[in-house]
Amino acid sequence: GAGVSQTPSNKVTEKGKYVELRCDPISGHTALYWYRQSLGQGPEFLIYFQGTGAADDSGLPNDRFFAVRPEGSVSTLKIQRTERGDSAVYLCASSLDRASTDTQYFGPGTRLTVL
Amino acid sequence: AQTVTQSQPEMSVQEAETVTLSCTYDTSESDYYLFWYKQPPSRQMILVIRQEAYKQQNATENRFSVNFQKAAKSFSLKISDSQLGDAAMYFCAYLADGTDKLIFGTGTRLQVFP
Repeated sequence: GAGVSQTPSNKVTEKGKYVELRCDPISGHTALYWYRQSLGQGPEFLIYFQGTGAADDSGLPNDRFFAVRPEGSVSTLKIQRTERGDSAVYLCASSLDRASTDTQYFGPGTRLTVL
Repeated sequence: AQTVTQSQPEMSVQEAETVTLSCTYDTSESDYYLFWYKQPPSRQMILVIRQEAYKQQNATENRFSVNFQKAAKSFSLKISDSQLGDAAMYFCAYLADGTDKLIFGTGTRLQVFP
């Protein structure tokens, strides 16, 4: 596709449920990033993939959050036992290679609402 | 830890006028990159401009330019000839060289009046 796409656009779930958020990066981009943007805040880094491996997962808030990128393209962010505090917009970005040399292109995000 | 501060929650400008958005940052690194991103209501972050810290010359992209003051750790964005389509949230962001996570400020909401 022409840009980064994310599905679903919006997700409403109940406290305690499991959710999966999907990101399709720009074709050929080896680097993929997940950020979380709470209301009124800037995006906060969650995890960075280089190819299939998580090169930096220091931003994941706790072990309820997990992300995979099994074939080095599509990535899925998984949240177990959701809490109301997980409500936010989850943004995905990709870049051709490293962020220091290549622009991060963002998707439109998934708005997660935990009731 | 590195931090990015945007002290202006909201700014407004008349169409065709010039506006400056402020950003300061804190770091002990000498090599880093600074960015301005625009986020319209569609939520998609769009890169406006990028500055490498080792470059003394201020970056420009058409109507957008920055005033990069490394010693003062200041990185302001100037928008000239403002257009209605410039209305959006603007985020300043920092990237330390050799790392891959952008650190964002809290944003400035820009309104453009006709």
